[in-house]
Amino acid sequence: NAGVTQTPKFQVLKTGQSMTLQCAQDMNHNSMYWYRQDPGMGLRLIYYSASEGTTDKGEVPNGYNVSRLNKREFSLRLESAAPSQTSVYFCASSEGGFSGNTIYFGEGSWLTVV
Amino acid sequence: AQSVAQPEDQVNVAEGNPLTVKCTYSVSGNPYLFWYVQYPNRGLQFLLKYITGDNLVKGSYGFEAEFNKSQTSFHLKKPSALVSDSALYFCAVRPWMDSSYKLIFGSGTRLLVRP
Repeated sequence: NAGVTQTPKFQVLKTGQSMTLQCAQDMNHNSMYWYRQDPGMGLRLIYYSASEGTTDKGEVPNGYNVSRLNKREFSLRLESAAPSQTSVYFCASSEGGFSGNTIYFGEGSWLTVV
Repeated sequence: AQSVAQPEDQVNVAEGNPLTVKCTYSVSGNPYLFWYVQYPNRGLQFLLKYITGDNLVKGSYGFEAEFNKSQTSFHLKKPSALVSDSALYFCAVRPWMDSSYKLIFGSGTRLLVRP
């Protein structure tokens, strides 16, 4: 079972470069999320899409944009990468519609901005 | 503000001994509570959750957690630790009426089980 698949796994960017992290889920989930993980800070929500056609800012949206391409895919774009965006990025999904539904995570994308 | 606190950065326990990883929360209204585990260079894996009903929730790999509403806690427990349980553990909460369905995470607790 693939679950949540995100690419690339590892990426090194130079300051000012742009890139897009891709995410797809095969569980027919309505809601999708992008989190970043930094040491000692847990996971912080960047953007989320509660359902297809909608996107909203999370806790730390500055410097990022997202696109909910269809029900399966939710991409995260860094327009002009900064060293502060060095982090591990996780895409996640859930059925939505009920707050008790479990969120399932991808394997992560390690991004270094130099 | 809604938040989750994991007061211990690291918990050390000997293999075979019981373990507890602590979590307290602050939300408006009733909470839905979750525990996830993360192994090195991997994503988060769901362990268990509390929605309603019995305060003792059983999950994967022999873990369980006890919801205590008066103490606003949701501590993760296991009767007998294994070396393979060594990992990073995250507690998370979702407010009952949050229509975004997003999770609020604690900062994580590293569990080290020594042989």
